[in-house]
Amino acid sequence: QKEVEQDPGPLSVPEGAIVSLNCTYSNSAFQYFMWYRQYSRKGPELLMYTYSSGNKEDGRFTAQVDKSSKYISLFIRDSQPSDSATYLCAMGFKTIFGAGTRLFVKA
Amino acid sequence: EAGVAQSPRYKIIEKRQSVAFWCNPISGHATLYWYQQILGQGPKLLIQFQNNGVVDDSQLPKDRFSAERLKGVDSTLKIQPAKLEDSAVYLCASNLGLAGVRSSYEQYFGPGTRLTVT
Repeated sequence: QKEVEQDPGPLSVPEGAIVSLNCTYSNSAFQYFMWYRQYSRKGPELLMYTYSSGNKEDGRFTAQVDKSSKYISLFIRDSQPSDSATYLCAMGFKTIFGAGTRLFVKA
Repeated sequence: EAGVAQSPRYKIIEKRQSVAFWCNPISGHATLYWYQQILGQGPKLLIQFQNNGVVDDSQLPKDRFSAERLKGVDSTLKIQPAKLEDSAVYLCASNLGLAGVRSSYEQYFGPGTRLTVT
């Protein structure tokens, strides 16, 4: 079993939709959780990070952590074609990445 | 502020050849990371430097991969000899490396070097 599991997609949604991206993990010791966005042929860039359980909001993005279920989510409201990218969850002090979910937002 | 620079952007070599990648981190960033990202997978940490010392190289295939960060600034990653399974994007990242949550976890990535081994 991988330490971090993430559905690779692809996920295709119409513009304006609410997008839900998720990861599960196995190590209950993880305390730090991150979401990175990676455009094609670019390096990842940090979108959000959270510590322990709870929600964090930044503009159209909301990150949720449920440590009891070992489950994290990223929600994107009012999705735009410019949000089309691969979204990588990452966690742990050694920053273990999920496989990434490819998102396509259709105009 | 200039970002993380990497070169070359693309490299094609034959198996058993050697190759080297170069990274220049953001000025003042003490911590430097090299990741391998195979197509369809997330980045996997190969080695982490703090200034010019190695913090973690547990996932570096040391029989063929080597890395150095002389003077605590630029870094090179070398593969010798290359195998077909080394085809991947090699990402360099850096951060301030200071105590405190965000500075430890906000890594700034370069564009990567796409390696194809034939």
